[in-house]
Amino acid sequence: QVQLVDSGGGLVKPGGSLRLSCAASGFSFSDYYMGWVRQAPGKGLEWVSYIGQSGNAIYSADSEGRFTISRDNAENSLYLQMNSLRPEDTAVYYCGRWNGGYDYWGQGTLVTVSS
Amino acid sequence: EIVLTQSPGTLSLSPGERATLSCRASQTVNNNYLAWYQKKPGQAPRLVIFGASSRATGIPDRFSGGGSGTDFTLTINRLEPEDFAVYYCQQYGPRWTFGQGTEVEIK
Repeated sequence: QVQLVDSGGGLVKPGGSLRLSCAASGFSFSDYYMGWVRQAPGKGLEWVSYIGQSGNAIYSADSEGRFTISRDNAENSLYLQMNSLRPEDTAVYYCGRWNGGYDYWGQGTLVTVSS
Repeated sequence: EIVLTQSPGTLSLSPGERATLSCRASQTVNNNYLAWYQKKPGQAPRLVIFGASSRATGIPDRFSGGGSGTDFTLTINRLEPEDFAVYYCQQYGPRWTFGQGTEVEIK
């Protein structure tokens, strides 16, 4: 069955960096767009980025220039490198498989940006 | 960037009633590239509708999506206890965005 497992979250100081990972199984990973969505405490869902099968990537205005999405099709893994983190980046980050909508999601990983 | 505005913010209804949620876009959503998600606390979101009107796998037929252009709706007929949640619309045009959400709460 399709499974996505998010990892890599934690506590980081403002200005710091963090790399999130999403391990995929149960489907042909290389055939799908993948992406990241986050939800700050008490707030709504916010789209962060997506990446196509061949590595073409699009970012939200807030994440462009600070975050880099990437994928390793051989390892069935998705990544989000986050640099220059701000307190407002504090959120649960979810990876998702795109299939006309995000039809499968990871369980989420919490990123806390605080001094 | 397309801004999605959902209304109402909160919908207070009883089980068995019908819920009608609105999602209005600041610009035309081309090709009806609009999805709806259900979100419950502590859980990952769940895809309900894609392409404005297509039900996702496993979604019961009491859920229906409609609309085009800039105005979209999600209708839930005969609310079941498990339907009470926050619902978000999402457009997937050039740069994707979510609406701010509508909470469907038990009256």
